[in-house]
Amino acid sequence: SQQGEEDPQALSIQEGENATMNCSYKTSINNLQWYRQNSGRGLVHLILIRSNEREKHSGRLRVTLDTSKKSSSLLITASRAADTASYFCATPSGGGNKLTFGTGTQLKVEL
Amino acid sequence: DAGVIQSPRHEVTEMGQEVTLRCKPISGHDYLFWYRQTMMRGLELLIYFNNNVPIDDSGMPEDRFSAKMPNASFSTLKIQPSEPRDSAVYFCASSLAFGKGTEAFFGQGTRLTVV
Repeated sequence: SQQGEEDPQALSIQEGENATMNCSYKTSINNLQWYRQNSGRGLVHLILIRSNEREKHSGRLRVTLDTSKKSSSLLITASRAADTASYFCATPSGGGNKLTFGTGTQLKVEL
Repeated sequence: DAGVIQSPRHEVTEMGQEVTLRCKPISGHDYLFWYRQTMMRGLELLIYFNNNVPIDDSGMPEDRFSAKMPNASFSTLKIQPSEPRDSAVYFCASSLAFGKGTEAFFGQGTRLTVV
């Protein structure tokens, strides 16, 4: 079963704009991760935020976590065409030893 | 390290045939995961191993699916007999324990088409 649900399911923006994706999850977690998947490729880890953190930055990425609402957001600033991909949130479950992925957001950045 | 290596990258087989997918995890990782990705169901965890031992196979859809990890550097996912609805991209991933705040490393996947 899916632990996380991302929204929107699809997002289309112009290069240079910011892209925001949201993730909601169901159970208590000690960390939340975001991954990117380019078409036809495997998933690549982007960033991890721990439950005691509210915000984290990595380059053009900004992740927030609200454990009271069981939600997280991923912001990509100054988007580029190369950011076109699907983005997934993932949370540990099963005692913390397996990773369950959300449904993903398909981001398209147009020139 | 070359990362997680999966083979083959593409597999086309006829319904009823046996299919074996292979995975070499990253050296030193003690967890190995098999995921299946389809448009309809997204990314599903099929089974995972810890130190070569299967821990949770509740995601394996049917008895037609089986997975083994004979040693720390090799795992297989077998489908016998295969059916058209098994068509999907199968990913292998390895990691240290997620509860400790570590990431998963994915292979490039095997795209399986059963005709």
